[in-house]
Amino acid sequence: EPEVTQTPSHQVTQMGQEVILRCVPISNHLYFYWYRQILGQKVEFLVSFYNNEISEKSEIFDDQFSVERPDGSNFTLKIRSTKLEDSAMYFCASGLTRTETEETQYFGPGTRLLVL
Amino acid sequence: RKEVEQDPGPFNVPEGATVAFNCTYSNSASQSFFWYRQDCRKEPKLLMSVYSSGNEDGRFTAQLNRASQYISLLIRDSKLSDSATYLCVVNKPGGTYKYIFGTGTRLKVLA
Repeated sequence: EPEVTQTPSHQVTQMGQEVILRCVPISNHLYFYWYRQILGQKVEFLVSFYNNEISEKSEIFDDQFSVERPDGSNFTLKIRSTKLEDSAMYFCASGLTRTETEETQYFGPGTRLLVL
Repeated sequence: RKEVEQDPGPFNVPEGATVAFNCTYSNSASQSFFWYRQDCRKEPKLLMSVYSSGNEDGRFTAQLNRASQYISLLIRDSKLSDSATYLCVVNKPGGTYKYIFGTGTRLKVLA
């Protein structure tokens, strides 16, 4: 069964450093998402991406964040200058279709980011 | 009112019990509803989609009440392996169909 993969599984970084989180969505999917989950809290939407551009971003997704699909298979999330409060589990998700009745998203295993 | 609201639990039930979780959502324009399961420190995994009047999959039954903006999940004959957090997820329509998650309801099935 095809699945979303993410690397690395864990990342430890110093405050102020740049990190890039990588995702390989399911191959025929067209819609891509990043979510995050701070420990003990709910999963929160960060950004959605379709047709090589951002469709929507949340207020969390400020100028320090960017996304890219550099080569048709990878989907990356970059945090330019990490803050302590960026420590969280980051989930990538992908979906094949988006209609009113069919837009299931499939989640990768996550990257646990710890900012020191 | 929260966008998606769930009782956080925990629900502690014996093996074989029937347990029900509820969820309410605030956006009446939402069209897609889901139950995801999340094990500790793992990704959400799709348990069931909930469309129109609801659906059943084995021991799991999901119901949708659009008038009350309410979704439920019923687990019959619960197993130890059902222990997890159950996430109510609602799409936010308006172009991107991003997911809005509830905080989750924690279930512990006891031997």
